[in-house]
Amino acid sequence: GEDVEQSLFLSVREGDSSVINCTYTDSSSTYLYWYKQEPGAGLQLLTYIFSNMDMKQDQRLTVLLNKKDKHLSLRIADTQTGDSAIYFCAAAYSGGGADGLTFGKGTHLIIQP
Amino acid sequence: NAGVMQNPRHLVRRRGQEARLRCSPMKGHSHVYWYRQLPEEGLKFMVYLQKENIIDESGMPKERFSAEFPKEGPSILRIQQVVRGDSAAYFCASSRGDGADTQYFGPGTRLTVL
Repeated sequence: GEDVEQSLFLSVREGDSSVINCTYTDSSSTYLYWYKQEPGAGLQLLTYIFSNMDMKQDQRLTVLLNKKDKHLSLRIADTQTGDSAIYFCAAAYSGGGADGLTFGKGTHLIIQP
Repeated sequence: NAGVMQNPRHLVRRRGQEARLRCSPMKGHSHVYWYRQLPEEGLKFMVYLQKENIIDESGMPKERFSAEFPKEGPSILRIQQVVRGDSAAYFCASSRGDGADTQYFGPGTRLTVL
C-alpha cells in the first residue's frame, strides 16, 4: 500500500523560511495535501496540489511537487510563532475523497525566537 | 457554515465498556471518513461511509468496531468492550463527494480507556 514519509522535526528561526519535505510511494496518488495540527486540536487543511501540477502558491505557502522523485514540499515564508504546529502530508489515490487519505507521521515545526 | 462537528470532545471509559463517537459532517457533505490517531503517530484511515452505506472499511479492526451513517442524524463510530489500546484521538472528516473532494476534519474525540 501507499507509504508517506516525513522527517519528525524541523527547527527554524522566526522570520526565516521553513521547508517541510514529504515522500510518497504510490505514483498513482492524484491529490497531495498539507494539514496543520495545533496541540489538542483537529486538522486544518492548509493546501493541496493535484498531481498534474508542479507548484502551487497561496500567500506565504508554496507547494512543490516532483512527480518523478515522488517528493512533495511545503515552504512557509517568513515563519511566525503562530506557525508552530505539526504538519501532516497526506496522499489520495483518486478524486481526493474516493478513498481514505494516507498520512505521514507529521513534522513538528519548532520556531526559535 | 459550521464545520465538521464531533462529540464528545473527550470520552473516558473503563475497560469492557462501550464507546460511541458522533460526527456531523459539514453542510452539503454526504461523505464521512473516520481516522484514528495514536500518540505521536499520523492518522490512520478506518472507514469511509456515504449515507446508509459503508463504502470502504478496510482500515477498521474486524472485531468490536462498527460504523454507521444513517439517513438522518450523525455518523456513529461504535467501539464495544473497549481495551486500553483503543485509547487514541478519533477524527472524522467529511467531503462533498465530487471533483477535488477535499476532506475537512473535525476537532476529534479523545478516548481514554482506564
